Amino acid sequence: DGGITQSPKYLFRKEGQNVTLSCEQNLNHDAMYWYRQDPGQGLRLIYYSQIVNDFQKGDIAEGYSVSREKKESFPLTVTSAQKNPTAFYLCASSQTAQVYGYTFGSGTRLTVV
Amino acid sequence: GNSVTQMEGPVTLSEEAFLTINCTYTATGYPSLFWYVQYPGEGLQLLLKATKADDKGSNKGFEATYRKETTSFHLEKGSVQVSDSAVYFCALRVQRSGYALNFGKGTSLLVTP
Repeated sequence: DGGITQSPKYLFRKEGQNVTLSCEQNLNHDAMYWYRQDPGQGLRLIYYSQIVNDFQKGDIAEGYSVSREKKESFPLTVTSAQKNPTAFYLCASSQTAQVYGYTFGSGTRLTVV
Repeated sequence: GNSVTQMEGPVTLSEEAFLTINCTYTATGYPSLFWYVQYPGEGLQLLLKATKADDKGSNKGFEATYRKETTSFHLEKGSVQVSDSAVYFCALRVQRSGYALNFGKGTSLLVTP
């Protein structure tokens, strides 16, 4: 079955460390997205990519970086520059047209210890 | 800009009660509209969608009608079940930002037996 896989489900990071969250899809979707979810704030867009080797900043890109070397993969790195990284991170993919909804992964919960 | 406003929760209902979750939007152009549902610790699942004015999306007993004149997309269900307890997100999608979804802040629903 096609789907989108995020790993790990839980991640703990020490202060000053970079960590990378994995997102893989086998839906043949062109577009991929990273969102951050905090209690009471809904979902906020971090980065998005419409095509391989191209990506754009979303509303809260500071302290994050991404790559899109393969159509199936869109990893997110949370750098030490991100001041408040503890959150639930959601990856999604979609066809690039507004009539389509997203398919979401099951999320990664990142905690700074 | 583009934005979505949802009624604030939490909403608590008894089983078999009628549900309405209000959603209004602001958008340039003609967005597609979506409702997503999120169960605890999971990613979001598409519940229903509507892509043009007067369209009605429906799924699992939930319905929402795209009302352009009132810029609304209210979610309704005639008889809720305990298993409907979740967080519900209204969202819109337009061409801006690579067709990224704009989400409301979510409405938490608790259905009691």
